[in-house]
Amino acid sequence: DGGITQSPKYLFRKEGQNVTLSCEQNLNHDAMYWYRQDPGQGLRLIYYSQIVNDFQKGDIAEGYSVSREKKESFPLTVTSAQKNPTAFYLCASSAGLAGADTQYFGPGTRLTVL
Amino acid sequence: GENVEQHPSTLSVQEGDSAVIKCTYSDSASNYFPWYKQELGKRPQLIIDIRSNVGEKKDQRIAVTLNKTAKHFSLHITETQPEDSAVYFCAASKTTAGNKLTFGGGTRVLVKP
Repeated sequence: DGGITQSPKYLFRKEGQNVTLSCEQNLNHDAMYWYRQDPGQGLRLIYYSQIVNDFQKGDIAEGYSVSREKKESFPLTVTSAQKNPTAFYLCASSAGLAGADTQYFGPGTRLTVL
Repeated sequence: GENVEQHPSTLSVQEGDSAVIKCTYSDSASNYFPWYKQELGKRPQLIIDIRSNVGEKKDQRIAVTLNKTAKHFSLHITETQPEDSAVYFCAASKTTAGNKLTFGGGTRVLVKP
């Protein structure tokens, strides 16, 4: 999982601002995912992408947007429409092949809205 | 969609004792069940996984069992050590659906020396 990087580690945002979280992987994985983790809770899927130039909404996509222009990169934008964005955001990737579906996580970005 | 329930939410054990965490899932088509360990402020790390064509899998002190009929699976940690203290998450997915993992709520395990 050292092949997945996220930046920044900590991010502070004022209300009404959009912010973009970076996720890069050098594992040559086809599939990438964004999860949100709130304190004391499990991970919830925001968006996922199985191939370049294609992505699907997860369970909590409202207020978020993504792009997948390159295989290595899957940035997440937290828009001002997201009412409660303070959380720990985790990016993951997997080979995307049947039987090779293990997801590997990046180190995460902790977003705080001031 | 899939729903995964995980119990207990917290578990305190004495060093050397065993720890068991149980998960149930709702979608009978789910066929992949990973377990992740997350230390405070860190990324989740895969510790073991099992597929629906297998009933049990072991890796040193860790084992996972799967009961497809009852739709539940469990994590067993034997001879617990202080470094086993962490939050453990179970998850389920259908690999035909883009491997969308649905996670349980997590179990905070504390191993007391």
